[in-house]
Amino acid sequence: QVTLKESGPGILQPSQTLSLTCTFSGFSLSTYGMGVGWIRQPSGKGLEWLANIWWDDDKYYNPSLKNRLTISKDTSNNQAFLKITNVDTADTATYYCARTSFITMMVLIWWYFDYWGQGVMVTVSS
Amino acid sequence: DIQMTQSPASLSASLGETVTIQCQASEDIYSGLAWYQQKPGKSPQLLIYGASSLQDGVPSRFSGSGSGTQYSLKISSMQTEDEGVYFCQQGLKYPLTFGSGTKLEIK
Repeated sequence: QVTLKESGPGILQPSQTLSLTCTFSGFSLSTYGMGVGWIRQPSGKGLEWLANIWWDDDKYYNPSLKNRLTISKDTSNNQAFLKITNVDTADTATYYCARTSFITMMVLIWWYFDYWGQGVMVTVSS
Repeated sequence: DIQMTQSPASLSASLGETVTIQCQASEDIYSGLAWYQQKPGKSPQLLIYGASSLQDGVPSRFSGSGSGTQYSLKISSMQTEDEGVYFCQQGLKYPLTFGSGTKLEIK
């Protein structure tokens, strides 16, 4: 059974660094093909992909936030992490982590999120 | 970035009705499309990946189709539990991008 759970500070002030933890079970980030992604959703709005990390420590970031994002993992403790520096009110959202899988078709690779955590609400306010 | 345009933004359907939601990509994504359902206060759940592959445990009334830049999600017989917001997502290129969502309600 695959489960993921996010944890974070709840509230923080503008210019601070947001640190999020995703604790998961039912799979390992040391297994070929496994990945964890972070996605956020402002209240009542759509989904924005932030970053992904893979079993081989390959990392991908959304260019719109790239300079502010750092994704990492602790394979032995089944955790993934996301840091966002210099937050402001626009970063207020529910943050999800999700297991990322992929399928291949000839030379193509398609990525998708097959298991999601429950989400953690983060509010940036002075 | 690949832009994903969903339509309609909202719709209501009667129980038993067939529902179709559309998703258009700004470039060919070669069937690299996933569909998610999100119920109020819950996280998104994967329904379809690879444009037409049904995720384990998802009812067979859900189906996906399409190719190139045009994709659709069909619910063959609307049920009460199908109310929610549906998102498409392209999985071909980073940055991974989502459609803006379609809110589905019971009429």
